[in-house]
Amino acid sequence: QVQLVESGGGVVQPGRSLRLSCAASGFTFSSHAMHWVRQAPGKGLEWVAVISYDGSKTYYADSVKGRFTISRDDSKNTLHLQMNSLRAEDTAVYYCARVVEPATIGDAFDIWGQGTMVTVSS
Amino acid sequence: SYELTQPPSVSVSPGQTASITCSGDKLGDKYACWYQQKPGQSPVLVIYHDTERPSGIPERFSGSNSGNTATLTISGTQTMDEADYYCQAWDSSTAVFGTGTKVTVL
Repeated sequence: QVQLVESGGGVVQPGRSLRLSCAASGFTFSSHAMHWVRQAPGKGLEWVAVISYDGSKTYYADSVKGRFTISRDDSKNTLHLQMNSLRAEDTAVYYCARVVEPATIGDAFDIWGQGTMVTVSS
Repeated sequence: SYELTQPPSVSVSPGQTASITCSGDKLGDKYACWYQQKPGQSPVLVIYHDTERPSGIPERFSGSNSGNTATLTISGTQTMDEADYYCQAWDSSTAVFGTGTKVTVL
């Protein structure tokens, strides 16, 4: 079945780096733009970043621009989020999500992973 | 930056209709979608492209979008519909989520 599984979360000190991964299965990964969305404990959803289906376009939320990098490896059906210079306010559950319409960046997210927790604390 | 505003909470009796609003500047010119999130679970898409229901979403969920307001309507609300609901739209290559609404069925 269609599935997204995140990994790579954990506890990290402020200023350090972490790399998240999202393994996709059950659909043609290379046809869909992919996103990262996060949710701080007890808070609402916050969009983080998007990469187009072909990897040619990436966009970021202002809060992570210059610190986070989204990438994809279509040979492994995997999405990544490289997070550098982490701050306490980056503490959240990070979800990867698929766009409902193939080849479209700006659309609804129809498939979500289960999320991976990132805690930034000294 | 673009903002989407929702009421913090909505209460509804079982079997009645719940309406959740999402307000944003000229929101009707954009596509709106809605997500349901239950405690400890990932969000689930319930409405996209203003009015479309993904497969598997019950018919009691419907949506509309005009002017500055998008609305999610739950007809014949069931206790299983108790959850947080978020609207979402796109602005300037950025996805924007609403502030979220907690729906209580009592």
